[in-house]
Parts: sequence; C-alpha cells; structure tokens
Amino acid sequence: EVQLVESGGGLVQPGGSLRLSCAASGFTFSSYWMHWVRQAPGKGLVWVSRINSDGSSTSYADSVKGRFTISRDNAKNTLYLQMNSLRAEDTAVYYCARTLKQYSSPDYWGQGTLVTVSS
Amino acid sequence: QLVLTQSPSASASLGASVKLTCTLSSGHSSYAIAWHQQQPEKGPRYLMKLNSDGSHSKGDGIPDRFSGSSSGAERYLTISSLQSEDEADYYCQTWGTVAWVFGGGTKLTVL
Repeated sequence: EVQLVESGGGLVQPGGSLRLSCAASGFTFSSYWMHWVRQAPGKGLVWVSRINSDGSSTSYADSVKGRFTISRDNAKNTLYLQMNSLRAEDTAVYYCARTLKQYSSPDYWGQGTLVTVSS
Repeated sequence: QLVLTQSPSASASLGASVKLTCTLSSGHSSYAIAWHQQQPEKGPRYLMKLNSDGSHSKGDGIPDRFSGSSSGAERYLTISSLQSEDEADYYCQTWGTVAWVFGGGTKLTVL
C-alpha cells in the first residue's frame, strides 16, 4: 500500500525555521518525482516545490524561492522541506505528493502537516 | 498565462448526478488535467487524469460513479448516484513548464 506520511509541522515564530519530512512506503521511492503543496486555512491548494527522482533538479514557487529548500534521501525513502525565514503567510497545511514523471498528475498525496507561523 | 477556472460551489441531491466544470485559459485547450477530491479535514485524493480528447485514467479504488469528459477548453467531472461521502471540495490541476496550477476548487454539497 502506497503511503506518504508528513511530519515536522508546528508553531514557529516569524523569521524562524522548520524542517518538514515526508516518509514514503509501499513503492519504489527513488523512481518518483516528489512535490510539496500547501493549503492556507480555508483556501485552495498551491504548489510549493518539486524535486526529481535522483535529487539533481529542483524548482520552487516564487513565493518561497530563496527561503525554502527541497531535498530527498532515497536510501531513507524520505522527502524534506527546509523552511527558513518563515512568514505569517507561510501558515498552511503542507502536503507531499508523488508523480512518476515531471509532467504528470500526482496519484498519491499525504495527509498533511500543519505549519503555523505566529508570534 | 495558464489558469484553471472552477465555479466556487455546486449542489445536488442524494442519488442524483452532478457535473463539475474546469475551464482552461485561452491557448491552453490541449492540456490534460487531473481531478482531486478533498473531503473535510483530509488530504487530497487523486480521482483521475483527463486528456483533451476525453480519455481518462482513474486512481486506485475510484468508483465507476466518477467519470470525466472534455469539450474544447472545458474539462468535466461527473459524479453519478451521489452519496453523502461525495460532499467535498473538488480541485482540477494541471502542470506548466515548472509549476503545477490548481483551480480554485468547487465545494460540492449533497442535499
């Protein structure tokens, strides 16, 4: 059974840092591109970042570029999102999702982890 | 600019059918999209990938009650024999050269 389980969310002050993890199981993690998507309270889904299957290529939404870093450890079947210089507008539930190719639809999502940026 | 447009809300009666619409912006009518369902307080669930010719491939365990179709720049999700658990937000999504693009979502109420 394919599972994606996010963790690492919590309450952080503006300007602070947090690292999210997404533990994958039930499939060959190293064969898939991975993505982070976020959803602010009461709002829609917004793509944040993606990484290719071997970790050599990454992309970011303009809103997080220079502050967030996506990475992966294929030996540990885990995806990460390092979030620095956090702002109130980064408050959201963060989901990880997988795709088999760069230009394809995500076929599995995690359940999400909540990040709250507030003083 | 690649944009997906969805109506904010829809409603239909238990046991009836409903057709949700996602409209691709001008110049992007050949794009495939995906439909995702998000039940209250849950993560999104992939329903299907829908091509411009109307062909679609559904996710694991998605019932036959869910189907997709296309016409020009419009992409449709039809849910038949509505059940209470179909009450959810439905998002269409596509992929540009770098980023994913999501529609604003349609909140479906089952009466």
